[in-house]
Parts: sequence; C-alpha cells; structure tokens
Amino acid sequence: DQQVKQNSPSLSVQEGRISILNCDYTNSMFDYFLWYKKYPAEGPTFLISISSIKDKNEDGRFTVFLNKSAKHLSLHIVPSQPGDSAVYFCAASANTNAGKSTFGDGTTLTVKP
Amino acid sequence: DVKVTQSSRYLVKRTGEKVFLECVQDMDHENMFWYRQDPGLGLRLIYFSYDVKMKEKGDIPEGYSVSREKKERFSLILESASTNQTSMYLCASTQKGGYTFGSGTRLTVV
Repeated sequence: DQQVKQNSPSLSVQEGRISILNCDYTNSMFDYFLWYKKYPAEGPTFLISISSIKDKNEDGRFTVFLNKSAKHLSLHIVPSQPGDSAVYFCAASANTNAGKSTFGDGTTLTVKP
Repeated sequence: DVKVTQSSRYLVKRTGEKVFLECVQDMDHENMFWYRQDPGLGLRLIYFSYDVKMKEKGDIPEGYSVSREKKERFSLILESASTNQTSMYLCASTQKGGYTFGSGTRLTVV
C-alpha cells in the first residue's frame, strides 16, 4: 500500500509559467509534509515543508498548499526557470521532529526555455 | 557548510560479497537514515537510527543490516550482495525538519 503518491511521473512547462506538482497521501497520521528536489547524480535537497496546522507555506518562488480533508498537497513554482528542471519528491512524516519520512515516487519537471 | 558524506560515489561488487556503505554527518544529528532509490519506486527506507547503537527496520530491511557505533557514523551492510540490490543508496540525517542527504552511492552488483 503506497501511502504517498505522486500520480504524474513527469511535467513539462514553459519558462516563466507556473509549475504545479501534486501529491496525495492516505495515512491520516501524517502531520508534516516536505518537498525535495533532486538533480541527476546528486542526493535530494530539502526545498520546503508544511505542518498540518497550516494550509499554505511560501518561500520565494515556491509555495506549498495543503488540503487536509482531501489528503492532498501541491507545490507551486512561479515563475518556473530552466534551473528548476529536476525530480521533485513529496514526503510525509507522522512526527514534526522528522521521524522517518515516507516518499512518493517523484515527478520529473522539465522547464523549457 | 553542513554535510552528509557517503564514502563512495560508485561501487561494483560481485554477487555474494559483503558490502559496507559508510555515511558520516558533521551536524551532530541524532537521526540517520538509509534509503534506496530505484526508477519508478521512489525512495524506500531500509533502516534508520535515532541514537547511537539504536536501529529500527524500515520498509525493506531484508538482506541489509546497519551499525551505529558513533553518533556521526551510520553504516549500511549488505551481508551477501545480490543483483537485486543494484541501486542508488542514499544516506540522510536530521535533527528536526527536512533531511540533509548525502550525494548517494551507485552500487552495481554483478
């Protein structure tokens, strides 16, 4: 049973437009959600997170939205840049002290110049 | 700059060999994790540790063991390497919040 799902394996957007990456989860115990970005041949890097007590968190061009009733979160990147091209992983944890995180399969974002 | 360092970027081992993957962090983090990344399967947790000499199984511990003798070091051991353990192995640490990952070790078992 996959508890964190990213249903879109890939996404392609034009430079300057908005990128929206989606993630769904099934475990009601998850209360902390994170997005990571991964370039080829590198480890993932932490991007942004959100606690279940919030429905939005913003950091520069990156905004994460959480809809607890739908068990859905999304990452918005505005405006998208070619350097944003990477694999994006959604992760969820049942402990804000970063107990183990469960990851989705990842979405490959390609931003075209 | 804080770091998680994995000792090898690329490894090629033979079936049946005992393999050690080393991970060191310099952030005094209590929590350390080993994941493997495979195409279409995302990151899957193998083992994790909340403290020295403590370890807990993740989602796919079979064929692996770990060692945490010092706070900064978390080792992943493949007792008898098999071809289905060919993968990218990622070590991570955290105190709270997001993980800091190492650069990964690409292991090929032939």
